Formats: sequence, structure tokens, C-alpha cells
Amino acid sequence: SQQGEEDPQALSIQEGENATMNCSYKTSINNLQWYRQNSGRGLVHLILIRSNEREKHSGRLRVTLDTSKKSSSLLITASRAADTASYFCATDEGFNKFYFGSGTKLNVKP
Amino acid sequence: DADVTQTPRNRITKTGKRIMLECSQTKGHDRMYWYRQDPGLGLRLIYYSFDVKDINKGEISDGYSVSRQAQAKFSLSLESAIPNQTALYFCATSVVAGDGYNEQFFGPGTRLTVL
Repeated sequence: SQQGEEDPQALSIQEGENATMNCSYKTSINNLQWYRQNSGRGLVHLILIRSNEREKHSGRLRVTLDTSKKSSSLLITASRAADTASYFCATDEGFNKFYFGSGTKLNVKP
Repeated sequence: DADVTQTPRNRITKTGKRIMLECSQTKGHDRMYWYRQDPGLGLRLIYYSFDVKDINKGEISDGYSVSRQAQAKFSLSLESAIPNQTALYFCATSVVAGDGYNEQFFGPGTRLTVL
């Protein structure tokens, strides 16, 4: 069964707004990663957060991790039409096997 | 990612046929993975390999087999294809960084349709 589950399943916003998507998981993890997928294409790694980290930034991306709640969030600030894609969280329990959630489909309207 | 290639990119086949999907990488990574993605769902792990002599089953290995011919090549076979194996298949590679953490690099995917 899948480890991570994203929420919401779909999100539609206007360009310039912030987009927040959440990921919940079931077991203890070593790290959690976020990936982006443009329609029908391969996934691209965005950011990795370790289990001992609480927040991480990369450009317009901010990721938080709350291991007590077994949840993570991805914030994209000042969204652009080019950010339109599906976003997946992936958890690694430490064995370098990754469990992907079902994804959040983000649509940024120009 | 051009460093991870998959062939074919699209394939239509019939129930009962044997199909092989191939993955090659020029990244020099030891670890390779095969996933399938169904519409509206995330990726599910089929098989993974941490080096040429190491092959492991993932969540959904039934009906699939793999071969790690070399560090750079990892093939996925469907012994007798069935319609519910219609999906998008992704190959991925990774290497463990010095601190023990790693990201995955994905190929462009193979769209397989089983009639």
C-alpha cells in the first residue's frame, strides 16, 4: 500500500497566488521528498527533507515536516502558469525504497 | 532526464504476449528501479536493484520479472501481458550520497497498452 497520501487531490489557483499541498504518511521515515510531474512525463526531484529537519527552502519552494503528525507540506509561493503539474511526495523509510503518494494536481491559471 | 532512457516509449500489445521494456542510464548509478503509474495514482514499485547482483521485489511484482544485464541496464518483462497491466512504466536510478540520502532520477516513461 502507498505510504504517502497528498491532499488536496486537485488545486486550481491564479498566477501569483501561493499553492499549498499536504502529504501524510503512515510509518517512521528517514526522509521525505517532493517530486513534480508534467503531464505524462517522468518525475523530477524538487526537494528532500530529512527526518531531523523541520523546514527547508529552495527558491520559491518551502517544505515543512512534522514527524509527530507524520505529515509534510509543500508551499509554492508566487505561482506561475509553468508550475502547472502534478506534485508527489515520496517517503523513504531508510532502505532506499520509495513510496509515492497519489499526488496533487495543480493548475495555475494565467 | 536524458541520462535515463527507456525503450520503447509507446507499445500496444495483445493479451498473452511477452513484452520487454528496457532502461539504460549514463549516470553511473548503482541503483535502479521500475515503477508503474496508473491514471490519477502515484507510482508503485515493481522491482528494484541496488547493484548488478542484487534484485528485489517491490510492492507489485506479480506478473513481472527483471534482468540487470549491467550496471547501466535494467529490463522489465511482462511474461504474459494482461489488460490490467496497461499503465505508464517508469525506470529510475539513484545513488546514495555521502550522508546516506538520495534522490531518484526518472526516465521519460513507457506507455504500455494491453488489448
